[in-house]
Amino acid sequence: GDKVKQSPSALSLQEGTNSALRCNFSIAATTVQWFLQNPRGSLINLFYLVPGTKENGRLKSAFDSKESYSTLHIRDAQLEDSGTYFCAAMNYNQGKLIFGQGTKLSIKP
Amino acid sequence: NSKVIQTPRYLVKGQGQKAKMRCIPEKGHPVVFWYQQNKNNEFKFLINFQNQEVLQQIDMTEKRFSAECPSNSPCSLEIQSSEAGDSALYLCASSLEGASNSDYTFGSGTRLLVI
Repeated sequence: GDKVKQSPSALSLQEGTNSALRCNFSIAATTVQWFLQNPRGSLINLFYLVPGTKENGRLKSAFDSKESYSTLHIRDAQLEDSGTYFCAAMNYNQGKLIFGQGTKLSIKP
Repeated sequence: NSKVIQTPRYLVKGQGQKAKMRCIPEKGHPVVFWYQQNKNNEFKFLINFQNQEVLQQIDMTEKRFSAECPSNSPCSLEIQSSEAGDSALYLCASSLEGASNSDYTFGSGTRLLVI
């Protein structure tokens, strides 16, 4: 089954608006990473999280290990934010990252 | 620009041919992972190394791939006999501590097309 479930699968936003992406985990995640994959395929690190929150510019992410979810908030969306966002959870017993299926984000002018 | 360097960027092979791709991990990162991302955005873990030793690998990798991370040379992943279903983006990542202790840095990937 889906150990890491992302929602929504796709999202279209107007430039300047805000959005929230979410990952739910059915595994006991110990850490979470968020990535942006650009059209060339490169995975860009956005956040690495232990339980708690982090903020970087217009992006903010939270990881709640007890409730088994993580969120990524994008404020004042810009055209360059377009791409596919992936969350990935680490489970200590697995020893590797387990990816969600991605959220394809399109920002329109 | 990524600190994990993958070559080649694109690879086109015929069915039955060998397909080899390389990865230079971020400096100082002893742990290396290979993932396969298919056209449906599904990531499949293939193999990981700590220094030169294999930590984990899936059955497919053991049977059909040859992989190594020699000291002072790039890591490599080679499909011994390419199949159409191997067409995918192959991503290499490195990590300082592996497992749950540190983040992964990914390369830009090798996009393999098997025709």
